[in-house]
Amino acid sequence: GEDVEQSLFLSVREGDSSVINCTYTDSSSTYLYWYKQEPGAGLQLLTYIFSNMDMKQDQRLTVLLNKKDKHLSLRIADTQTGDSAIYFCAETLNDYKLSFGAGTTVTVRA
Amino acid sequence: DVKVTQSSRYLVKRTGEKVFLECVQDMDHENMFWYRQDPGLGLRLIYFSYDVKMKEKGDIPEGYSVSREKKERFSLILESASTNQTSMYLCASSLRAPTNEKLFFGSGTQLSVL
Repeated sequence: GEDVEQSLFLSVREGDSSVINCTYTDSSSTYLYWYKQEPGAGLQLLTYIFSNMDMKQDQRLTVLLNKKDKHLSLRIADTQTGDSAIYFCAETLNDYKLSFGAGTTVTVRA
Repeated sequence: DVKVTQSSRYLVKRTGEKVFLECVQDMDHENMFWYRQDPGLGLRLIYFSYDVKMKEKGDIPEGYSVSREKKERFSLILESASTNQTSMYLCASSLRAPTNEKLFFGSGTQLSVL
């Protein structure tokens, strides 16, 4: 994902909030996604946001979108050990193609 | 729930071998995709198919081909495996174009080419 950038690692204490950041390059992207990959598994869609929204909240997850800066973030409240995974940011490039970031490995420590 | 099944979890092959990676989805999805996942590089699209017998190149098609003879099955073929094709391969499917429908992923095939 050369056009989508995210930091590679994040360590967070159990119960704290996690914030994963992502920058993308295509201002015409209609949807932006967060996928989660648990060890030994494929990716699962965690949440997504439409480009005309600034924020989306879904239980412990909050997605913030700053279109001006092409910045997307995912906040996980009350982080649990089950949240340890790799999180991928993705943007739409056309009808069939998503561009993925390199993934952020989140480690939750007790 | 949608299930995307990849035939092998781990594969070890020798340089020059022809390798087949199989993927089957059980929800009548139109679109199927093959990605490779490498540490620090994320997911890169190899090929995708939006209908039976149709295929389109992704970002890194060199050294690969695909086959979609039936709607539920999408095969990735390494004509002559090379060590730089050692990677995790992920298959995915979606009902319609992924910008409208989410991608469902298989668990992946870790391929090692020796």
